[in-house]
Amino acid sequence: DQQVKQNSPSLSVQEGRISILNCDYTNSMFDYFLWYKKYPAEGPTFLISISSIKDKNEDGRFTVFLNKSAKHLSLHIVPSQPGDSAVYFCAASARYSSASKIIFGSGTRLSIRP
Amino acid sequence: EAGVTQSPTHLIKTRGQQATLRCSPISGHTSVYWYQQALGLGLQFLLWYDEGEERNRGNFPPRFSGRQFPNYSSELNVNALELEDSALYLCASSLGEAGQETQYFGPGTRLLVL
Repeated sequence: DQQVKQNSPSLSVQEGRISILNCDYTNSMFDYFLWYKKYPAEGPTFLISISSIKDKNEDGRFTVFLNKSAKHLSLHIVPSQPGDSAVYFCAASARYSSASKIIFGSGTRLSIRP
Repeated sequence: EAGVTQSPTHLIKTRGQQATLRCSPISGHTSVYWYQQALGLGLQFLLWYDEGEERNRGNFPPRFSGRQFPNYSSELNVNALELEDSALYLCASSLGEAGQETQYFGPGTRLLVL
């Protein structure tokens, strides 16, 4: 049972345009969501997070939106740059659960074309 | 400040053998997480250690085990290796406090089972 789903395995966006990566979750207990970025041969790097008490968090070119009623979050990157080409993982956790662990989606490979 | 380190970077074993992977967390972090990323799949949660104890494990057979040492470093042991254990194994660390779910990843150990 996939609790965190990234339904698009890949996405191609032109440099300078907006990249939108989507993520859906099924567990209503999740209250903290994160995005990680992963380059080949490296470990994932934390990008941005959002708590369930918010519906938007912004950090520079990166904005994460959370729609709790739809159990959906998205990552917006604007403007997209060549260095943004990577695999992006959405992750979720129920932070105050005694069995807390992070559940990752399967990732979306973002390619920024010139 | 040094990040999460893992050793070895690559490991080649044959079916039935045992593999031991090592991880050193960021200084001050007490929680260590292990993940498996098989080819084409997302990050699968394996194990979570905090303060020397196993706090949670994912849906993996008992031949996947590990431990955390007093200095918070950790070992992942995989017994009776199978071909499908070939994957990138990632270690991550965090502060381990409730709510501190941002995990910092190491570069990974790539395990190949022949």
